[in-house]
Amino acid sequence: GAVVSQHPSWVICKSGTSVKIECRSLDFQATTMFWYRQFPKQSLMLMATSNEGSKATYEQGVEKDKFLINHASLTLSTLTVTSAHPEDSSFYICSARDLTGNSEQFFGPGTRLTVL
Amino acid sequence: GQNIDQPTEMTATEGAIVQINCTYQTSGFNGLFWYQQHAGEAPTFLSYNVLDGLEEKGRFSSFLSRSKGYSYLLLKELQMKDSASYLCVVMDSNYQLIWGAGTKLIIKP
Repeated sequence: GAVVSQHPSWVICKSGTSVKIECRSLDFQATTMFWYRQFPKQSLMLMATSNEGSKATYEQGVEKDKFLINHASLTLSTLTVTSAHPEDSSFYICSARDLTGNSEQFFGPGTRLTVL
Repeated sequence: GQNIDQPTEMTATEGAIVQINCTYQTSGFNGLFWYQQHAGEAPTFLSYNVLDGLEEKGRFSSFLSRSKGYSYLLLKELQMKDSASYLCVVMDSNYQLIWGAGTKLIIKP
């Protein structure tokens, strides 16, 4: 099946710093990538949808200036958490949908962010 | 390598009971999740098991056997709205999520 990778798998940073998380589709081209965050034992919460070459669409309540998304190619999307604070500590998961427009999404392994 | 196996597709009748099995081989274990996903929507959390045994939550129950690397999701009194994909997800020792491919459940009247 299709593979999606994320890097880094975990990161610890100081409050006020910025952290970049990469999401790559390894064996397919993804026109659309999704970014989620998950708090313990809760559902994934969709943060934003990014289409290659265009601006991301953010869900209500998600600050676009704080969570910068760049989808510069068909295989790479990045999420940058700017000026991170402890409340941003969470599990960030990306998923990707391929060029065929199939509704199936392929999920990455997630990135655990801890902000001290 | 890390691997999660679950059936690709299952069919059941409205009002009946269905059991979706999941077996896994992962680098360590920090819990197993079941998610429900309707087409085009984000997955919805159903259950989390970290200890052996059965967890019951309304019409849905989830079972875990860590020694066997096995879990199942049991759905009772099936309703048409239960038609969806059910994802088995394991968190490994590095807290990485290993996603199963999902089981598409088709409910027939």
